[in-house]
Amino acid sequence: DIQMTQSPSSLSASVGDTVTIACRTSQGITNFLAWYQQKPGKAPKLLIYAASTLQSGVPSRFSGSGSGTDFTLTISSLQPEDFATYFCQKHDRAPYTFGQGTKLEIK
Amino acid sequence: QVHLQESGPGLVKPSETLSLTCTVSDGSITNYCWTWIRQPPGKGLEWIGYVYSNGNTNYNPSLKSRVTISVDTSQSRFSLNLTSVTAADTAIYFCAREAFSGSFYDHWGQGTLVTVSS
Repeated sequence: DIQMTQSPSSLSASVGDTVTIACRTSQGITNFLAWYQQKPGKAPKLLIYAASTLQSGVPSRFSGSGSGTDFTLTISSLQPEDFATYFCQKHDRAPYTFGQGTKLEIK
Repeated sequence: QVHLQESGPGLVKPSETLSLTCTVSDGSITNYCWTWIRQPPGKGLEWIGYVYSNGNTNYNPSLKSRVTISVDTSQSRFSLNLTSVTAADTAIYFCAREAFSGSFYDHWGQGTLVTVSS
């Protein structure tokens, strides 16, 4: 099975900062990668799919890039509501594995 | 806006079977893929498997020998059975709908915590 590695596992930043979270896969998945945001006690929320396509209703400060094995999620001009945990997920073929998560905390 | 709601026991004894149901409302269950995902408290997400509305299934190889996912389109619900549970199966279990355009999840239930303990 393809392994997913997210980095960093945790990150501290301030409101207004720009942050980048990385996701690497052990084999190429072209652009079949999604990103989710999860807040405590809540279900994950889809942010981006196909590596760079923004889900409807998601603010444009979220962006995704990458292909093959290396992907990034960038959040520009961090807002207070963005402090959460972020997961990547491959969606090329089963099993649809998730990354281990990156917790974004307020500095 | 489709709504998903998990239901089932919150406590299961070791070696027994975990059974959960996800009821789909405010949307059609047909022509979509319906998925179970779990998350041990404080940890990451694990894809368990899916059932398509026609009954076709696909399971995570790590759980395949113990998992059955089924769908009842007449009742607009789908179910998860996980046999021979251990403490390692303690988790929040989410049901989710796969998006029409790909195998990512655009609608989720709120999740239900299942604890395996005697």
